[in-house]
Amino acid sequence: SQQGEEDPQALSIQEGENATMNCSYKTSINNLQWYRQNSGRGLVHLILIRSNEREKHSGRLRVTLDTSKKSSSLLITASRAADTASYFCATGVDSSYKLIFGSGTRLLVRP
Amino acid sequence: EPEVTQTPSHQVTQMGQEVILRCVPISNHLYFYWYRQILGQKVEFLVSFYNNEISEKSEIFDDQFSVERPDGSNFTLKIRSTKLEDSAMYFCASSEEGAGGNIQYFGAGTRLSVL
Repeated sequence: SQQGEEDPQALSIQEGENATMNCSYKTSINNLQWYRQNSGRGLVHLILIRSNEREKHSGRLRVTLDTSKKSSSLLITASRAADTASYFCATGVDSSYKLIFGSGTRLLVRP
Repeated sequence: EPEVTQTPSHQVTQMGQEVILRCVPISNHLYFYWYRQILGQKVEFLVSFYNNEISEKSEIFDDQFSVERPDGSNFTLKIRSTKLEDSAMYFCASSEEGAGGNIQYFGAGTRLSVL
C-alpha cells in the first residue's frame, strides 16, 4: 500500500455511535496528523500526534499511533450528523516540507 | 480566527490558456504550499515556498507550473499552458514552521476546470 492508506474507505453509522478510522503508512515519520474535509471544501486540521506519543485526545477525538505497526487510528465518540465528512491522515517526515495524505475515509453519520 | 483565503473559488479555462490561482496565507506564517486534489483522488503535494524561493517540489510541479509571492500578502500558482489533466481542486496552505510535518492550514480551494 502507499504511504497513508485509510480503511475503511467508507463508513456509515447512526448518530451517537462511535466511528473508528485506521491509517497505515510505510516510512518512518516525524508525526501523523488527521484532517477533515467537508464535501467540496478545504482541509481542516483536527489533531497531530508525534512519533514518540502513543495516544492523544482532543474533545471527542482520540488518536492512537503504533510506530511498530506503522499505523494510526482515529476514534470519534458520540458522533453527530455534523461529523459527516471525509477524514484523511497525513504524515510528515524530517527534512521534508510536504504532508503525504492518505486516500481518506468517507464518514456518513445518519441522524 | 485567521484563515487562508483563495480566489477564485472556481476557474474555468480553455486548454492551452494560462491561469493564475491566488492565495492569501495567514499573515504571520512563513511557509507556503500548494496541493491539488483530482476528483476522487488523494490530496497531492505540489510545492513548498519559503523565504522567496521554492524549498521543495514534487514531480508534478514541472516547467508548466510556477509560484510567486508578488507582495507581502499574496502567494500565487501559475499554470502556463493548461491541459485537461490539470482539472482539479487546488489548495493553498501555510504554516508557522517548515519541515518535519508541521500543522498546515488550508484554504477552501480553487476548482480549476480545463475545457
